[in-house]
Amino acid sequence: SAVISQKPSRDICQRGTSLTIQCQVDSQVTMMFWYRQQPGQSLTLIATANQGSEATYESGFVIDKFPISRPNLTFSTLTVSNMSPEDSSIYLCSVGQGAGETQYFGPGTRLLVL
Amino acid sequence: SQQGEEDPQALSIQEGENATMNCSYKTSINNLQWYRQNSGRGLVHLILIRSNEREKHSGRLRVTLDTSKKSSSLLITASRAADTASYFCATTRYTGFQKLVFGTGTRLLVSP
Repeated sequence: SAVISQKPSRDICQRGTSLTIQCQVDSQVTMMFWYRQQPGQSLTLIATANQGSEATYESGFVIDKFPISRPNLTFSTLTVSNMSPEDSSIYLCSVGQGAGETQYFGPGTRLLVL
Repeated sequence: SQQGEEDPQALSIQEGENATMNCSYKTSINNLQWYRQNSGRGLVHLILIRSNEREKHSGRLRVTLDTSKKSSSLLITASRAADTASYFCATTRYTGFQKLVFGTGTRLLVSP
């Protein structure tokens, strides 16, 4: 299994600002994903982070709001831009080892926007 | 949109009892996975069952899959207070990318 770390673990931000969340994996992985979990809700996939190309976004999520970088096979960042209180959520990255295989999740970043 | 629906939404039992959670999904799947989440933290992978499997065991966990009914169940036997958590099913429908679609989750409370 992969060991995944995220920074920061939590943050409180003012509306209108941006926050960049980092995800680091202890081994090279093909697939990296970013999820959002709104308070009391389940997880929703934001985008798939592709190494060497643009991220693939799910319906309802756009690059201007959630820009993603994937500079190599062990690291990715998600930026939450121009934040509003509705962006208050837990943001989780995950890694997959191939289609049809287990995904492993980071500990999450708990974001509160005031 | 969420593919999986789980029931019950919340379950409260005593230590030593068994807990059963059910998950239903809408489309064909490649596999189904169960995850546990403690107090809004990261998800812990519990078990993966493939579409051609019907039952799988891991310690005190038993998972069944009925693709004809598009449903799965997670049974935790002899539950412990430490099992208190939210449990999510997630399905993979291979489309070239491995995308997980999560169910709504079941909040399990195990009282000593």
